[in-house]
Amino acid sequence: KAGVTQTPRYLIKTRGQQVTLSCSPISGHRSVSWYQQTPGQGLQFLFEYFSETQRNKGNFPGRFSGRQFSNSRSEMNVSTLELGDSALYLCASSWGGLGTEAFFGQGTRLTVV
Amino acid sequence: TQLLEQSPQFLSIQEGENLTVYCNSSSVFSSLQWYRQEPGEGPVLLVTVVTGGEVKKLKRLTFQFGDARKDSSLHITAAQPGDTGLYLCAGGRAAGNKLTFGGGTRVLVKP
Repeated sequence: KAGVTQTPRYLIKTRGQQVTLSCSPISGHRSVSWYQQTPGQGLQFLFEYFSETQRNKGNFPGRFSGRQFSNSRSEMNVSTLELGDSALYLCASSWGGLGTEAFFGQGTRLTVV
Repeated sequence: TQLLEQSPQFLSIQEGENLTVYCNSSSVFSSLQWYRQEPGEGPVLLVTVVTGGEVKKLKRLTFQFGDARKDSSLHITAAQPGDTGLYLCAGGRAAGNKLTFGGGTRVLVKP
C-alpha cells in the first residue's frame, strides 16, 4: 500500500512570491494535517482537513491556507513568502477517527531567498 | 508554549549501551505517539500508546505511558548505530487529529 506522497520535494522561491504544496494521503485515509518544521520551533501544527472541511487550525497567519479535494488529496498555499517561511513542510495522513495514528510524508523543503 | 517537554535534548552513546528518552507534560493526552526522524525525511511512526500505565515493546524498544496520561518514556536496550535519529513524542487529544509535538531528542549511537 502506497504511503503519503508529497510534491515537490524541494522548492526555492523568492520573497513575496506564493507557493502551493501538494499531499496525497494513504488510500482510504480521509484526514490530512499539515505541519511546519524548523530548527528553532520544531514541528508546529498548521491545519487539518477532514472530508474537504478544515477541522482544526494552528496559530499561523492567514498567509497560510489549505484545501482538500473529494479524493482526499490536499494542497497548502503560502502567499507573500517571507524568509522565515523557509522550513520542511510535512503532511500527515490518518483515517480520520479522533486521536488516530498519523503517518507522515517525506516533506517538502521550502527555501525562501 | 511547549506543552510537551522532551529530555534530554541530545544523547550520544556507544553501541551496546542503553538509553531512555522522556516526554513530559502538564496536560492530559488521549494518546501519545513516538516517531523517529532522519535528516531530510518525514517522521516515521514507531508506536502509539493510549491507556494510562500501558507498556509496549517493539524488539529492543520499550514504550511506557504514565498512569495519568501526561508523560511517556522510550527505552532502547543495547542501542545500535541504526537507532541514530531524532526521536519525537507527540500527544493527541480527543478533539480532532491535531498533534502536539515535543522538541525532540537527538540520539547518536557510535559504533
